[in-house]
Amino acid sequence: NAGVTQTPKFQVLKTGQSMTLQCAQDMNHNSMYWYRQDPGMGLRLIYYSASEGTTDKGEVPNGYNVSRLNKREFSLRLESAAPSQTSVYFCASSEAWTGQEQYFGPGTRLTVT
Amino acid sequence: SQQGEEDPQALSIQEGENATMNCSYKTSINNLQWYRQNSGRGLVHLILIRSNEREKHSGRLRVTLDTSKKSSSLLITASRAADTASYFCATDDASVPDMRFGAGTRLTVKP
Repeated sequence: NAGVTQTPKFQVLKTGQSMTLQCAQDMNHNSMYWYRQDPGMGLRLIYYSASEGTTDKGEVPNGYNVSRLNKREFSLRLESAAPSQTSVYFCASSEAWTGQEQYFGPGTRLTVT
Repeated sequence: SQQGEEDPQALSIQEGENATMNCSYKTSINNLQWYRQNSGRGLVHLILIRSNEREKHSGRLRVTLDTSKKSSSLLITASRAADTASYFCATDDASVPDMRFGAGTRLTVKP
């Protein structure tokens, strides 16, 4: 099993460009998450999908949109990238929405110039 | 906003020594989890402890939870160079069910 996979691993964007980060899990998990990690800080939740067909805002949703494409896949879109969105983005999944261990992907390092 | 705060921010020890990291939080929680992150990698789950539990063990790891003090500790015994990583606590509670992570403790184990 691959676990949680993310593409791309690295990306450089210019201010105003758009892109989609892809995430897939093969563990048949119901819940999926997108986090960002900035230097010296813990992870902050951007959006989550408690179950297929639902998405909700997390702590820092501004500037992002998500799509739960199916049970396996959860994408994160930046419509108009800003330098403040320079960060490392992690996707995670878990069997249920709360009180469960989360499995993390390897991350996408995004730089916006 | 961060819920958990780890202490110390950085810890450097020799191989074979024990490492203790602490996590404090502000509000009542349902669960507290500890994760490890190696440099440049994703987080790996270590232990989940529920609010009605006081202590859990997993191999060389021991986690305690004191809900009256709103704090938890992670003890790594007989540390190895491979334990070098950042360690994060994360909590969830009834009002904020999504997990909130602290800023982490950076552990360096010298061979």
